[in-house]
Amino acid sequence: GEQVEQLPSILRVQEGSSASINCSYEDSASNYFPWYKQEPGENPKLIIDIRSNMERKQIQELIVLLDKKAKRFSLHITDTQPGDSAMYFCAASYNAGAKLTFGGGTRLTVRP
Amino acid sequence: NAGVIQTPRHKVTGKGQEATLWCEPISGHSAVFWYRQTIVQGLEFLTYFRNQAPIDDSGMPKERFSAQMPNQSHSTLKIQSTQPQDSAVYLCASSLAGAGNTLYFGEGSRLIVV
Repeated sequence: GEQVEQLPSILRVQEGSSASINCSYEDSASNYFPWYKQEPGENPKLIIDIRSNMERKQIQELIVLLDKKAKRFSLHITDTQPGDSAMYFCAASYNAGAKLTFGGGTRLTVRP
Repeated sequence: NAGVIQTPRHKVTGKGQEATLWCEPISGHSAVFWYRQTIVQGLEFLTYFRNQAPIDDSGMPKERFSAQMPNQSHSTLKIQSTQPQDSAVYLCASSLAGAGNTLYFGEGSRLIVV
């Protein structure tokens, strides 16, 4: 089955700087790559996603890049704020309605 | 919309006892997923249903775990003879199958096996 690797597992940045999280996947058939944010004691929530027909997607301060040849995708948070501190999970799936395989997660801390 | 509803939110059970977790998906969602979350293993896929039919249970420990979806409004995850290593947050999620895989997670059921 699909395997998703996510790095780094821990990321600490200064407020106002950028944060980058990288994921790689194994199954070239994967075609959907969402990112979830999970705050302490809460459930994971979708923040941005990208499909295989795109290379870049941006929603406000969130940028997702997809390199299908390298089977890598990444999340970039520009101008980080303390409220961005949370666990972030990348995921991949290969078919609409199929299960998501998640990366191991990144704990992001934004220092004021 | 109430979102995905999971009960109980917390459960403490003794080793060897049975635990049953319930999930009510978002109305109209045809796909229901069960995941297990621990600090060490992260988010592990267990099983999922589409239109109440089991589609993929490849993540389920076969001997003691079972899941059912008797109707479109609820699914259950049953763990028999619970072990301390079963302690985790069990997350249920639902989606409109075929609509881009946006999974909406419930708040989770925290199971502690003592």
